Amino acid sequence: DTEVTQTPKHLVMGMTNKKSLKCEQHMGHRAMYWYKQKAKKPPELMFVYSYEKLSINESVPSRFSPECPNSSLLNLHLHALQPEDSALYLCASSLLRGGSGGTGELFFGEGSRLTVL
Amino acid sequence: GENVEQHPSTLSVQEGDSAVIKCTYSDSASNYFPWYKQELGKRPQLIIDIRSNVGEKKDQRIAVTLNKTAKHFSLHITETQPEDSAVYFCAASWLNDMRFGAGTRLTVKP
Repeated sequence: DTEVTQTPKHLVMGMTNKKSLKCEQHMGHRAMYWYKQKAKKPPELMFVYSYEKLSINESVPSRFSPECPNSSLLNLHLHALQPEDSALYLCASSLLRGGSGGTGELFFGEGSRLTVL
Repeated sequence: GENVEQHPSTLSVQEGDSAVIKCTYSDSASNYFPWYKQELGKRPQLIIDIRSNVGEKKDQRIAVTLNKTAKHFSLHITETQPEDSAVYFCAASWLNDMRFGAGTRLTVKP
């Protein structure tokens, strides 16, 4: 299984709602990522989990709350979002190479397209 | 953090011509440089990558070159085809921190 699965594919929410985006992979990858992508822009790094621990938080507003319950699952909890948060949210995973090997190929999910009204 | 610059932002070529996209990076610690292709409405997909201990890598019509001293790397596509039309992103990574360039919209005209 070489897939990263994201749900839901589409989400419309009001500014007072609480919702969650979910991501799952079964490739044994120990790094999992959330990226935000606006139209005609590159993916923008939000959070990185390494071995289920938050290793990178790119100063993302607290209305976005990541969670990594286990090595296969990654959630992004959403609360009190703003219309400008409307975007495609991409989950990705990768192997972690030991020593100075750095990361490897990122495998992306299809994304969750979020619209905030 | 890492800053990746990518040029050009748009590129239009005739079918069969070559296309070259260039990127520069700022963090000398970066050691992994992938290129992703993203078609409209789809996820980014890896087309080729290179690590810092290699200067050049080729896969059929696609090649990537890396100049670590100058901190730049390039994507070369030869014999372009209409299905190569997409947005291409370069990226640079150290450990699990991967940052993307702004993207190049490639159009291959039949």
